[in-house]
Amino acid sequence: QSVLTQPPSVSGAPGQRVTISCTGNSSNIGAGYDVHWYQQLPGTAPKLLIYGNTNRPSGVPDRFSGSKSGTSASLAITGLQAEDEADYYCQSFDISLSVVFGGGTKLTVL
Amino acid sequence: QVQLQESGPGLVKPSETLSLTCDVSRYSISISSDYYWGWIRQPPGKGLEWIGNIWQSGTTYYNPSLRSRVTISVDKSKNQFSLTLSSVTAADTALYYCARQEYGGLSLVDAFDIWGQGTMVTVSS
Repeated sequence: QSVLTQPPSVSGAPGQRVTISCTGNSSNIGAGYDVHWYQQLPGTAPKLLIYGNTNRPSGVPDRFSGSKSGTSASLAITGLQAEDEADYYCQSFDISLSVVFGGGTKLTVL
Repeated sequence: QVQLQESGPGLVKPSETLSLTCDVSRYSISISSDYYWGWIRQPPGKGLEWIGNIWQSGTTYYNPSLRSRVTISVDKSKNQFSLTLSSVTAADTALYYCARQEYGGLSLVDAFDIWGQGTMVTVSS
């Protein structure tokens, strides 16, 4: 059971917009700690997609965006492409002095 | 570009100790205190679990659920850091990643910006 809760799966057609939620509590996201997002393509290591809730590393398309409010955060992907099919993970910090991850969301491009 | 590469035995017997090393290239661990060096694992078909981090000073931070069995150390002369996990069981079977976590002033709150490719460790007799 992950500390941060994500939907197991989401799907969308090419060109559509999808969002992935990441829900925590007052010990992690709600305590003000940043949320980061990773993309894990099949058979590869996770890649940093969004850091500090809303920031994109160099090279990440602006189709990817992040937001945070209260005890939750969201990753939005617009103009969905086949190459976006992957697992997505959120990460934050918990006051138990631990880095915590969400359980992951599998994105299927229909 | 900074690269991380994990290495170690792919098979470990139950109750024994798992030992992995992460070689860091194109960046000197000893030069900067801007990063932590960490281990994260992923059981087959499951999500990510943070194991622990080490700072270039040697200060360590461990997942409370694994603390009693984990040791992370750094060898600045070899520009590498290592993980040992004792008393392993089948539940420790996973893909083990080493990764670099930024340090922006608060401990453990920032993102992991560079990851190794991962090394699979199976616990079986």
